Amino acid sequence: DGGITQSPKYLFRKEGQNVTLSCEQNLNHDAMYWYRQDPGQGLRLIYYSQIVNDFQKGDIAEGYSVSREKKESFPLTVTSAQKNPTAFYLCASTGGQGTGELFFGEGSRLTVL
Amino acid sequence: RKEVEQDPGPFNVPEGATVAFNCTYSNSASQSFFWYRQDCRKEPKLLMSVYSSGNEDGRFTAQLNRASQYISLLIRDSKLSDSATYLCVVNLYGGSQGNLIFGKGTKLSVKP
Repeated sequence: DGGITQSPKYLFRKEGQNVTLSCEQNLNHDAMYWYRQDPGQGLRLIYYSQIVNDFQKGDIAEGYSVSREKKESFPLTVTSAQKNPTAFYLCASTGGQGTGELFFGEGSRLTVL
Repeated sequence: RKEVEQDPGPFNVPEGATVAFNCTYSNSASQSFFWYRQDCRKEPKLLMSVYSSGNEDGRFTAQLNRASQYISLLIRDSKLSDSATYLCVVNLYGGSQGNLIFGKGTKLSVKP
């Protein structure tokens, strides 16, 4: 079945550690996105990529980094510079010119201890 | 005005009730509008796009009011399974999905 796979689903990290969240899609979508969701809040865009080897900062990119070496993969690294990293992270993709329906992965819940 | 604003609720309604949510947006030139549904601790899923002329999908009706800059979602004959958070999503500035702005969501709880 086609879809987006995020891993890990739950992750615990100590302060000062970097952590990388995986996002893989087999939908042949060009555009991929990372969002962050905090309790009772809407989704906020961290980074997005519309094509391989290219990506743009979203509204809250500070403390995060991404890469897009393959069409299928868009990993997100939460660095130690991110001051409040505990959140629910959602990866999404969309086909066409990046104007269609967003398909989301199941999310990764990061807790910093 | 906040970019995309929704009443957070919760809306507590009995089964069979009709319930409506509104969502206001700040940019009058916005072109694309969507309603997503998010179950507790799950990912959002597209419920329906909102077209200028309004559109209906079964018990769900979406409407756009450009003059007053809001979109609405009407749910008729509410089911227990409709309990979820409904996210209003607007492409505020056009272009790619990188310009999508999510509202904070309206929580609906349908009771027996």
